[in-house]
Amino acid sequence: DAGVIQSPRHEVTEMGQEVTLRCKPISGHNSLFWYRQTMMRGLELLIYFNNNVPIDDSGMPEDRFSAKMPNASFSTLKIQPSEPRDSAVYFCASSLGKRGSYEQYFGPGTRLTVT
Amino acid sequence: AQTVTQSQPEMSVQEAETVTLSCTYDTSESDYYLFWYKQPPSRQMILVIRQEAYKQQNATENRFSVNFQKAAKSFSLKISDSQLGDAAMYFCAYRSAIGKLIFGQGTTLQVKP
Repeated sequence: DAGVIQSPRHEVTEMGQEVTLRCKPISGHNSLFWYRQTMMRGLELLIYFNNNVPIDDSGMPEDRFSAKMPNASFSTLKIQPSEPRDSAVYFCASSLGKRGSYEQYFGPGTRLTVT
Repeated sequence: AQTVTQSQPEMSVQEAETVTLSCTYDTSESDYYLFWYKQPPSRQMILVIRQEAYKQQNATENRFSVNFQKAAKSFSLKISDSQLGDAAMYFCAYRSAIGKLIFGQGTTLQVKP
């Protein structure tokens, strides 16, 4: 299996622009997670989906952030408009099942820089 | 709310020696899972080991083992026969039966040749 696939790997954009991050989970996994990693806040969960339905979006920082999962093999995280404080590494992870016993497998991450 | 604390920002170990990374957590739940993830400079998050709270036996994966003390809410990682490739940031993580993964702040491990 190819693992969790994220694109782009690096994104540099100017403040105010729209940014879309993409994720393809491992085939057969039905839970998908978006995380953000920064030096100040560490790794934090933004949102997670189970069977394409958002279950917990309490970590989404504000209305500028939105996430969708139109089908089992694709998810997007959008930031509009982007701000310099959004600069971070964004990870997507997937797991089999909703229960916590299943390991989450992470993608390589997208490094976002907003200037 | 659950919290995870790693009190050692940095650790170092001599190659072939043993090192223990500490992690404590706070929860009121009885059913949960604990994990250690490794993040090398490539920034890829790699699962090292997991422990189910209902299991008393400590998990072991080759050179990696844990010391799980449920009453003390402690979950340390022991790396035996350390190798240069073990150098990375290590994250302790908590996950409830139906909830999200909560990470500690991380411990940077340096392995000296």
